[in-house]
Amino acid sequence: DIQMTQSPSTLSASVGDRVTITCRASQTINSWLAWYQQKPGKAPNLLIYKASSLESGVPPRFSGSGSGTEFTLTISSLQPDDVATYFCQQYDSYSSLTFGGGTRVEIK
Amino acid sequence: EVQLVESGGGLVQPGGSLRLSCAVSGFSFSSYWMSWVRQTPGKGLEWVANIKQDGGDKFYVDSVKGRFTIFRDNAKNSLFLQMNSLRADDTAVYYCARLGTMDYFDFWGQGTLVTVSS
Repeated sequence: DIQMTQSPSTLSASVGDRVTITCRASQTINSWLAWYQQKPGKAPNLLIYKASSLESGVPPRFSGSGSGTEFTLTISSLQPDDVATYFCQQYDSYSSLTFGGGTRVEIK
Repeated sequence: EVQLVESGGGLVQPGGSLRLSCAVSGFSFSSYWMSWVRQTPGKGLEWVANIKQDGGDKFYVDSVKGRFTIFRDNAKNSLFLQMNSLRADDTAVYYCARLGTMDYFDFWGQGTLVTVSS
């Protein structure tokens, strides 16, 4: 199975800061990567698919990049509403889908 | 509006069984692969199973193979997960999710809690 490693596990930043989360795959997954945002007590919400495609309705301050084994999610200007946990997910193989361990984003 | 509503969670003893249901509305259910995903505080998010539009192809995470069965009723716009031989490490919130044009999850239900404990 493909393992997904996210870093950092927690980050604290100020409103307006640029925030970057990294996700690494244990083998190449081309661009078959999605990012989700999960707020406490809620289901995950799709932000990005195919590594860099923004899901409809998601604010443009969110962006994704990368291919192969290394990917990033960037929030260009952190807002209070962005406090959440963020997960990456690989879908290189439809018979074995895996998630990263998550990154909790807090406001400093 | 796309809606997925899970039900059937609860407390069950180790070795017991439980059937989860997911009622779907707002899209053509029979046109999409569907999935179950679970979440625990310790292990984060874990994909559990996928099922093809016609129910013909099914895939499972290794830890549930032989114990869990995913199935669907397209006439009733419903997805199911039959869980047998439940173990303590199956304790989680179980989400029903729609697979988008590729194998990412574009819509999720609110989740149902399954607790396996004596």
